[in-house]
Amino acid sequence: SSELTQDPAVSVALGQTVRITCQGDSLGSYYASWYQQKPGQAPLLVIYGTNKRPSGIPDRFSGSSSGNTASLTITGAQAEDEADYYCNSRDTTGNYYVFGSGTKVTVL
Amino acid sequence: EVQLVESGGGLVQPGGSLRLSCTASRFSFSRHWMNWVRQAPGKGLEWVANIRQDGSEKYYVDSVKGRFTISRDNAKNSLYLQMKSLRAEDTAVYYCARIGDCTGGTCFDAFDMWGQGTMVTVSS
Repeated sequence: SSELTQDPAVSVALGQTVRITCQGDSLGSYYASWYQQKPGQAPLLVIYGTNKRPSGIPDRFSGSSSGNTASLTITGAQAEDEADYYCNSRDTTGNYYVFGSGTKVTVL
Repeated sequence: EVQLVESGGGLVQPGGSLRLSCTASRFSFSRHWMNWVRQAPGKGLEWVANIRQDGSEKYYVDSVKGRFTISRDNAKNSLYLQMKSLRAEDTAVYYCARIGDCTGGTCFDAFDMWGQGTMVTVSS
C-alpha cells in the first residue's frame, strides 16, 4: 500500500484562490479524485480523473497534477466551500484505494 | 431517486459481529465496482473493501483482512459487509460508495455516489 499526504489545514479569504496539494507515489501512475465533506454529511465528489468536474460542481473547482503531486484549486472561494477535502487514488499495487489525510479549508 | 442506503449499524461488544447492508436504487447496480469506506469519529476517510461487478474479485485494507467479508447480490441491488471479531478501532461511520462508469474506454476510479452512512460502535 501507499500513503497520500495532505496539509492539515489552509485558510483563504472570501473570493480569493486556494490550492490544496496531495503527494503520493501512486499519483504518478493512477488518477486522483477529490472529495468535499461538510460536517455531518457524506463526502461529495468534486474532481475526478485528476482534472474533471462532475455535473453540478461549480467551475471554481479545478484539478491538476504534476509528477507525484495532485492539486485541487478553488478560484474565488465562497463561504459554502468551507469543508474538509480529501484526495484519493489507487495505491502503488493498483489493487487498493487510499485516501489522503484530509485538508480543512477555512474561508475567512 | 438515484441513491445508496446503508443499514445494519449499531452498538456491538468487542469480539462481536455485525452485518451491514447497502441497497441501491435507480441505477444499474450490477455495472459498478462497489466499496465500503469508513470514518472514525473526528478522523479522515479510510477505504475498507471493494468488490467487482460480478463478485469475482474482492480487496480489503490490511487492518480488516480475515475479519471482514464483502459480498453483493445483484438480483437484490444490494452490497454487504460481514464484520466479525470487531475491535474498538472499528468504531466508525461506514459508507457504501460506488465507482463511476468508465468513459470513452477510460476508467477514472472515482467514488461518484455515496450513501448517508451507518454508525458502528464497538464498546463494552
